[in-house]
Amino acid sequence: AQSVTQLGSHVSVSEGALVLLRCNYSSSVPPYLFWYVQYPNQGLQLLLKYTSAATLVKGINGFEAEFKKSETSFHLTKPSAHMSDAAEYFCAVRPPVGGTSYGKLTFGQGTILTVHP
Amino acid sequence: NAGVTQTPKFQVLKTGQSMTLQCAQDMNHEYMSWYRQDPGMGLRLIHYSVGAGITDQGEVPNGYNVSRSTTEDFPLRLLSAAPSQTSVYFCASSSRATGASYEQFFGPGTRLTVL
Repeated sequence: AQSVTQLGSHVSVSEGALVLLRCNYSSSVPPYLFWYVQYPNQGLQLLLKYTSAATLVKGINGFEAEFKKSETSFHLTKPSAHMSDAAEYFCAVRPPVGGTSYGKLTFGQGTILTVHP
Repeated sequence: NAGVTQTPKFQVLKTGQSMTLQCAQDMNHEYMSWYRQDPGMGLRLIHYSVGAGITDQGEVPNGYNVSRSTTEDFPLRLLSAAPSQTSVYFCASSSRATGASYEQFFGPGTRLTVL
């Protein structure tokens, strides 16, 4: 079974500082991996996704994530935080094989990012 | 395209009442899913569908029913609401047409309170 662990339920950074949100997955084979962002009282928006084409994935709003098979990690980073980045971030995984798994995502617990002026 | 739409946005129920959360998508996606979001637990899969007439259970299906009579609609029914079903509910859809990752597109959510 797939699982995802996000280390740190809350992360606080200063504006302009590096953002690092951690995600580790458990899977017998490299899965598809996703990062979603949720702004207050809104739905989920896709930030970026890993599909095995490249280990370093660039997403929207200056975010990127690196897939590291040896560490089973897919950490999300942004070089310089902006106030508008304050939100909750979710890492999610889907098995690479087909069948009914196409409609199923397993989510991590979420990390709330706070950005201080 | 409106994408994935959900109604209502907010709902308050009394224990034992039943209701249906509506979800519709206009992207002709074959896969649709329902998740519930609770603080500190991320999103958990309730039910999902791989096409019209085909549904299956997710991680937390108890107390919920689904059906999929058309490609566009995937309603979620609460049979007898309980306070433990107080949550935010998200509907999502995906398709092979969006790429091999089957990226999921989410609706805006329904915030349900059961008293």
